[in-house]
Amino acid sequence: ILNVEQSPQSLHVQEGDSTNFTCSFPSSNFYALHWYRWETAKSPEALFVMTLNGDEKKKGRISATLNTKEGYSYLYIKGSQPEDSATYLCAFPSGTYKYIFGTGTRLKVLA
Amino acid sequence: EAQVTQNPRYLITVTGKKLTVTCSQNMNHEYMSWYRQDPGLGLRQIYYSMNVEVTDKGDVPEGYKVSRKEKRNFPLILESPSPNQTSLYFCASSFNQETQYFGPGTRLLVL
Repeated sequence: ILNVEQSPQSLHVQEGDSTNFTCSFPSSNFYALHWYRWETAKSPEALFVMTLNGDEKKKGRISATLNTKEGYSYLYIKGSQPEDSATYLCAFPSGTYKYIFGTGTRLKVLA
Repeated sequence: EAQVTQNPRYLITVTGKKLTVTCSQNMNHEYMSWYRQDPGLGLRQIYYSMNVEVTDKGDVPEGYKVSRKEKRNFPLILESPSPNQTSLYFCASSFNQETQYFGPGTRLLVL
C-alpha cells in the first residue's frame, strides 16, 4: 500500500519566522508531486507541481524542493505572515489519474 | 471565470434516502474526480473519470456511484447513504494529470 506522509502535523510560528515542512512519498515509479494550500472554509489551491529530481520552485515567499531518489519534498515559507496560515497538502499520483494525498501540515502564523 | 461548482454545499439527510451531489466545471477538463475528507485522514479518492463515459474506482468507492454523460458534469450518487458517509466532499478537475482545480466542497451529514 502506497503511503504519503507529511510532517509535522501542525506547526505554530511567529510572524516573520521562516519555516519548512516535509512530504515523504514512495521513491519508485515517480511521476510527479503536487503541493496544495488549503485555507479553512475554502477549497485546496495548487501551489506547485514538481516533476524532476532536484527541482526547486518558487512562488513569492514560498518555495519547494524535490528529491525523488530518497522520496521527499520540502516546502519552505520565508518570513511567515498570518495570511500564510493554512493546511499544506502534498499529493502523489499513484497511477493514471489516481492520487494519494498526505494528511497535511496545519500551519498557524501568530501575529 | 474558470471554476468548479458543487451543489449543495451543505446537506443533512437520513439513512437510506438517496441523494446526488452535483459537480460541474467550465474549463473543458477531461479529468474529474471525487474525494472525501475526514478528520485525521488525507483526501481520499472515491471515483475518477478520464473522459465522457469513462470512470474508475478510487480508494474508497463503496457506497457511491458516479456518471459522466457530459464532459462538464460529474455527479456523485449515494443510493442508500449511511452515517459513515458523513464527510466533507470535494470535486476536482484537471487537464490530463496536471494541477487539479477543486470545487468549494459539500458538507454532508447522514443521520
